Amino acid sequence: DVKVTQSSRYLVKRTGEKVFLECVQDMDHENMFWYRQDPGLGLRLIYFSYDVKMKEKGDIPEGYSVSREKKERFSLILESASTNQTSMYLCASSLLAVDTQYFGPGTRLTVL
Amino acid sequence: AQTVTQSQPEMSVQEAETVTLSCTYDTSESDYYLFWYKQPPSRQMILVIRQEAYKQQNATENRFSVNFQKAAKSFSLKISDSQLGDAAMYFCAYGYGGSQGNLIFGKGTKLSVKP
Repeated sequence: DVKVTQSSRYLVKRTGEKVFLECVQDMDHENMFWYRQDPGLGLRLIYFSYDVKMKEKGDIPEGYSVSREKKERFSLILESASTNQTSMYLCASSLLAVDTQYFGPGTRLTVL
Repeated sequence: AQTVTQSQPEMSVQEAETVTLSCTYDTSESDYYLFWYKQPPSRQMILVIRQEAYKQQNATENRFSVNFQKAAKSFSLKISDSQLGDAAMYFCAYGYGGSQGNLIFGKGTKLSVKP
């Protein structure tokens, strides 16, 4: 079974802090994704990566950056956290392009 | 631009009965994939069922089946013999080959199951 893990289930940070969310998958998947989930808005894609060191902007990349130095790990970085970034963050991976995506448990981030 | 619409924010079903969740999408592509994902309360999102657009046969997975109407761009999910464990948020998603893998999700339908 594919396993996608995220570094924290719950995280509380202060405005202006630099925040790192980490995601690790154990199935050698090429593609990894970061989504933001807000009530009534569904899932919105922040960034995705189709190979090591490769990244593409999604629908809402502003205020975020990503890093993929190793195939199994995809990090989401909030350079200077703001209260409007309080949300649930979901990481996912897939073997092929347009394939079933496997999700991590999510990180609920609160920015005070 | 491709869009996915789930017109039912919330639905309710009696245990053991059947419920259908609606999903429509907009695309000009002919080759694409459709998915239904389930997110139980405070638990991980998991795939329920997937459908390749080139396949005419509707996908089924145990008690879950879809009604895929390509011309109407409709992709509904039917849950038969509903169980308490089916209570969750259900998301419809669309993806196509030119997108490098990212999926477009609907806003979700919250399904409640009454005992």
